[in-house]
Amino acid sequence: SYVLTQTPSVSLAPGKTATITCGGNDIGSKNVHWYQQKPGQAPLLVIYYDSDRPSGIPERFSGSNSGNTATLTISRVEAGDEADYYCQVWDGSTDQVVFGGGTKLTVL
Amino acid sequence: QVQLQESGPGLVKPSQTLSLTCTVSGGSISSGDHYWSWIRQTPGKGLEWIGSMIYSGSTDYNPSLKSRVSISVDTSKNQFALKLRSVTAADTARYYCARKEGFGDFDYWGLGIQVTVSS
Repeated sequence: SYVLTQTPSVSLAPGKTATITCGGNDIGSKNVHWYQQKPGQAPLLVIYYDSDRPSGIPERFSGSNSGNTATLTISRVEAGDEADYYCQVWDGSTDQVVFGGGTKLTVL
Repeated sequence: QVQLQESGPGLVKPSQTLSLTCTVSGGSISSGDHYWSWIRQTPGKGLEWIGSMIYSGSTDYNPSLKSRVSISVDTSKNQFALKLRSVTAADTARYYCARKEGFGDFDYWGLGIQVTVSS
């Protein structure tokens, strides 16, 4: 089955740029979606189809996808961005939804 | 604005069937290219997709759960349901219902319901 690999944790100071990666075999050929989950809350879609932002998501959130790595970038990180971030794809070869293991973003 | 709300028992005995319902408001469950889905999350762990169903009846399930899972849609009540048979402690999790846009993203989620499997 298709596997998505995420770095377990990322820590950085406020105002810096966070880069959260999602690795998968030829992931660039798939559509990648990103979710933010804060403690005690349901996941929230922050990027869909690699780089589109839903209404209400700040422009500081952006995404890209190429080769074997998809990337979620959060510019000018704020304390309120502290959360777990998950990538997700649809694997058409097996008709399955696949989630990455998640990355915990800590704002120091 | 579409809203989803999970309901069902918070405690299930081992070997029994876990049954949850998701009520959809703000939109019709039988419109569009939407797959009505269940996802779970164990304490301190990541997200696990359980399965998805479109109102016309087509379903996709996680292969690791497929032998024990069924998802159904009740268009008259604008609800969809999850049944997970022969549960064990490993099925203890927070269960979310969500709407999936075609083969894409989950754009609307319920708040989730905690289900514990214990005698």
